[in-house]
Amino acid sequence: KDQVFQPSTVASSEGAVVEIFCNHSVSNAYNFFWYLHFPGCAPRLLVKGSKPSQQGRYNMTYERFSSSLLILQVREADAAVYYCACSGGFQKLVFGTGTRLLVSP
Amino acid sequence: DAGITQSPRHKVTETGTPVTLRCHQTENHRYMYWYRQDPGHGLRLIHYSYGVKDTDKGEVSDGYSVSRSKTEDFLLTLESATSSQTSVYFCAISDRDYGYTFGSGTRLTVV
Repeated sequence: KDQVFQPSTVASSEGAVVEIFCNHSVSNAYNFFWYLHFPGCAPRLLVKGSKPSQQGRYNMTYERFSSSLLILQVREADAAVYYCACSGGFQKLVFGTGTRLLVSP
Repeated sequence: DAGITQSPRHKVTETGTPVTLRCHQTENHRYMYWYRQDPGHGLRLIHYSYGVKDTDKGEVSDGYSVSRSKTEDFLLTLESATSSQTSVYFCAISDRDYGYTFGSGTRLTVV
């Protein structure tokens, strides 16, 4: 079964670099996608690709079956749910169960 | 954000009644998707569409049907709503680069 795995919760302190890890068992998947979701809002794409990449404070690492999202200088406002996803063929994304980021002052 | 809207935003319905959720896009994207979001399960694909009148089942399609008669509209119907279908439903659109754009969601409560 195609699955994406990520931790349910990650805790950090303000100003730190936080890492959220993801790995998958999705057949023929080469791309990772990282989404940010605040309750009541639309999930928003942060970074994607099949190689390491950066968008502002968001860095994405890449290995064939795993990726990490690194958030630099994390803030309390970054507390949200982060989804990792992989492309499962036919333009379909397989999502993980989401990681809740907790940020303490 | 891309032009994608979901309606209604909130709905409460009774068990056994049919319910239709609407997703409307103004981006002329070929691909459209319906996901449900539940605690501990993340986002799970219900149905998707790869063109007008072209649809297919996702991971959790039982009890749901879809229709796409126009490029811009993708409808999700719960044939006979059950309490297990209480969830937040997200529509998404995509073009060739796989990046999804999501709508803001519909919170459905079945009582």
